[in-house]
Amino acid sequence: GQNIDQPTEMTATEGAIVQINCTYQTSGFNGLFWYQQHAGEAPTFLSYNVLDGLEEKGRFSSFLSRSKGYSYLLLKELQMKDSASYLCAVSRRGGYQKVTFGTGTKLQVIP
Amino acid sequence: DTAVSQTPKYLVTQMGNDKSIKCEQNLGHDTMYWYKQDSKKFLKIMFSYNNKELIINETVPNRFSPKSPDKAHLNLHINSLELGDSAVYFCASSQGDRAYGYTFGSGTRLTVV
Repeated sequence: GQNIDQPTEMTATEGAIVQINCTYQTSGFNGLFWYQQHAGEAPTFLSYNVLDGLEEKGRFSSFLSRSKGYSYLLLKELQMKDSASYLCAVSRRGGYQKVTFGTGTKLQVIP
Repeated sequence: DTAVSQTPKYLVTQMGNDKSIKCEQNLGHDTMYWYKQDSKKFLKIMFSYNNKELIINETVPNRFSPKSPDKAHLNLHINSLELGDSAVYFCASSQGDRAYGYTFGSGTRLTVV
């Protein structure tokens, strides 16, 4: 089976940096996604990590450690519009990969 | 020019009814999915089709039946609706290289009363 854990809620201040952690346990791990979902909207793709290390995309960076079953999403220079849920999702190897989502971290950015 | 469009956006219906949700993608993707997101925001896969062929069928009641007339369309039919079916249903699509992730539709909020 699979197990994905991430904090339920976080609060951070506009302009600050926040790190959202995700730990996972799964067999046949292939890669890890991060999605952003604003309230009442569809999830949108942020990043996909397959190899260990940090990948940076503008204000957002995603880190993966395969040996530790750990990932984080780093958001810099927080803006009010970053208030959303951030979903960690794990894909498994073999044929057409099945992607399993975590329950998401609801981030509230305050002035 | 919506990439993944699903209809209707809202659906309120009585227990026992049969309803359908439609999904279409114009991205040329070869794989489409149905996900269910419950009140706790947990997003869970239900079905996946690749080029009209069912490839993932999770433990979903057989009251739910997906149909893919072609690789750009994936519809979901639900028979004998129950209160517990109330959720947001998301259609999504992807193409080969998962590095680009899924593109989700805007969701259908189903409320069974």
